[in-house]
Amino acid sequence: NAGVTQTPKFRVLKTGQSMTLLCAQDMNHEYMYWYRQDPGMGLRLIHYSVGEGTTAKGEVPDGYNVSRLKKQNFLLGLESAAPSQTSVYFCASSYGLDTQYFGPGTRLTVL
Amino acid sequence: RKEVEQDPGPFNVPEGATVAFNCTYSNSASQSFFWYRQDCRKEPKLLMSVYSSGNEDGRFTAQLNRASQYISLLIRDSKLSDSATYLCVVNLADSGYALNFGKGTSLLVTP
Repeated sequence: NAGVTQTPKFRVLKTGQSMTLLCAQDMNHEYMYWYRQDPGMGLRLIHYSVGEGTTAKGEVPDGYNVSRLKKQNFLLGLESAAPSQTSVYFCASSYGLDTQYFGPGTRLTVL
Repeated sequence: RKEVEQDPGPFNVPEGATVAFNCTYSNSASQSFFWYRQDCRKEPKLLMSVYSSGNEDGRFTAQLNRASQYISLLIRDSKLSDSATYLCVVNLADSGYALNFGKGTSLLVTP
């Protein structure tokens, strides 16, 4: 099993550009999450999903959109990137209220 | 106010030492508690869940005090490989299975 994978691993964007981060899991987990991690801020929840076709806002959802069209995939979109969105993005999945398995992260820089 | 508070450290200890980390949480309705470990530039990984009765996993002991809303992690006989950031994590009671992460406590074990 690959576990949780994220694509891409690194990306540099210019202000105003758009992009989509892809998260995939092969553990048949119902729940998937997107977090961002910034120095001194810890991990903050952006959006999450409790099943295929469902999404919900987390702590810091502004400027992001998500979609969960397939159970194994959770997409995070930035429609118009801003320098404040420079961060490390982690995707995670879980079967329920137990261990969350994280992907390796995507390091995004917005110039 | 951050829901999960931790002393950021860093804690610098010699090999073989015992070190304790503390964490407080603000939402009394939180139901699940965890310690995660994060190595530099890597994804967080579950170290152990924390139960009301306290639990132990080898050199690691976790305690929960619901009345004081306090969680602790004790590491005995520290190894060089224990050097990492330790994240205190509680569930967001009003967000299903989503988790709220503390900013982490940095541990450096020296020879």
